[in-house]
Amino acid sequence: SAVISQKPSRDICQRGTSLTIQCQVDSQVTMMFWYRQQPGQSLTLIATANQGSEATYESGFVIDKFPISRPNLTFSTLTVSNMSPEDSSIYLCSVSLTGNNSPLHFGNGTRLTVT
Amino acid sequence: KQEVTQIPAALSVPEGENLVLNCSFTDSAIYNLQWFRQDPGKGLTSLLLIQSSQREQTSGRLNASLDKSSGRSTLYIAASQPGDSATYLCAGGHRGMRFGAGTRLTVKP
Repeated sequence: SAVISQKPSRDICQRGTSLTIQCQVDSQVTMMFWYRQQPGQSLTLIATANQGSEATYESGFVIDKFPISRPNLTFSTLTVSNMSPEDSSIYLCSVSLTGNNSPLHFGNGTRLTVT
Repeated sequence: KQEVTQIPAALSVPEGENLVLNCSFTDSAIYNLQWFRQDPGKGLTSLLLIQSSQREQTSGRLNASLDKSSGRSTLYIAASQPGDSATYLCAGGHRGMRFGAGTRLTVKP
């Protein structure tokens, strides 16, 4: 498996500001993903973070709102831009070590509250 | 687009009972079907992964099966214990897993 570290673990932000969440893995991984878990809900895939190229976004998520970087095989960032209270969620980084047939592993998440 | 459904949404059983959680998915072209456990306020713990070429996986008291043709997976928990109380999530897909809404399990002592 892999050790996945997310920073910050939680934050309280004012509306209209932006927050960048970092995800660091202790080994090189093939695939990295970002998920959102809204209060009382299940997980929703935001995007696949592609190394060295633009992320692949799911329906309903756009780059302007959730810019993602992945400069190498162990690190990715997700920015939540121009935040509103509706963005209050847990944001989770997930990795697949070797590709399509390997399990997903999750970080502990970033609990974001927007006031 | 892959859609994943889990039933029941909640389940309460007495300790010691065997139980089955159900997961269905719309797109049979999945690479993996994975079951997770989530405790309140905590992250996700991976329980079992079934690759598309497999039919079942077992770990201790847990057994998960996969039937791609019918778009179904089940998680069987034997001899349930209060410590099994949690939300169980299934996820399936390829190049990004889609999650069901989960089954909230309560095992009463």
